Amino acid sequence: DVVLTQTPLSSPVTLGQPASISCRSSQGLADGNGRTYLSWLHQRPGQPPRLLIYKISNRVSGVPDRFSGSGTGTNFTLKITRVEADDVGIYYCTQATHFPQTFGQGTKVEVK
Amino acid sequence: EVQLVESGGHLVQPGGSLRLSCAASGFSFSNYWMSWVRRVPGKGLEWVANIKQDGSEKYYMSSVAGRFTVSRDNANNSVFLQMSSLRAEDTAVYYCARTADRSFDYWGQGALVTVSS
Repeated sequence: DVVLTQTPLSSPVTLGQPASISCRSSQGLADGNGRTYLSWLHQRPGQPPRLLIYKISNRVSGVPDRFSGSGTGTNFTLKITRVEADDVGIYYCTQATHFPQTFGQGTKVEVK
Repeated sequence: EVQLVESGGHLVQPGGSLRLSCAASGFSFSNYWMSWVRRVPGKGLEWVANIKQDGSEKYYMSSVAGRFTVSRDNANNSVFLQMSSLRAEDTAVYYCARTADRSFDYWGQGALVTVSS
């Protein structure tokens, strides 16, 4: 199975400051057609996960533009330009290029 | 508005069985793959199973293959997860999720399954 390794696992941030989460894959995530099925999810306490970004960098409708995704091959990044209080929770990367679909361990973002 | 509502979560003894249901509304259900994903305490998220629009293809994670069965009823906009031979390690919150272009774009609130004697 593809292993996704997220760093850091915990990210204390100051409101208004940026945050960045890395997701490294044990295999390349581009399929034979050049598509890369790497997504980012956000889960607030007591809530189900919510899709933020799909196929590396496509922001879901309604997701603020302070969230951006980037990367290629085996290295991917989620960036938040200015963290707001609503952004706390756990962020997961997930890949669906290779079977079975797998998730990173999660990165907990909390306010300092 | 897209809504997914799970039901059927319960406390069950090891070796027991349970059936989860997920009622969908607000979209054309028969046009989408549907998936089950679980959040295991202390372990994060795990994809469990998914099913094609017409039910002709089903896939499972290795640790549940042969014990869990995913099915759907397009006439009633529902997807199900039949779980048998349950183990302590199956304890989790189970979510159903709509799957679009291999992304889980909508999630239910989840159903808690606890396997314990």
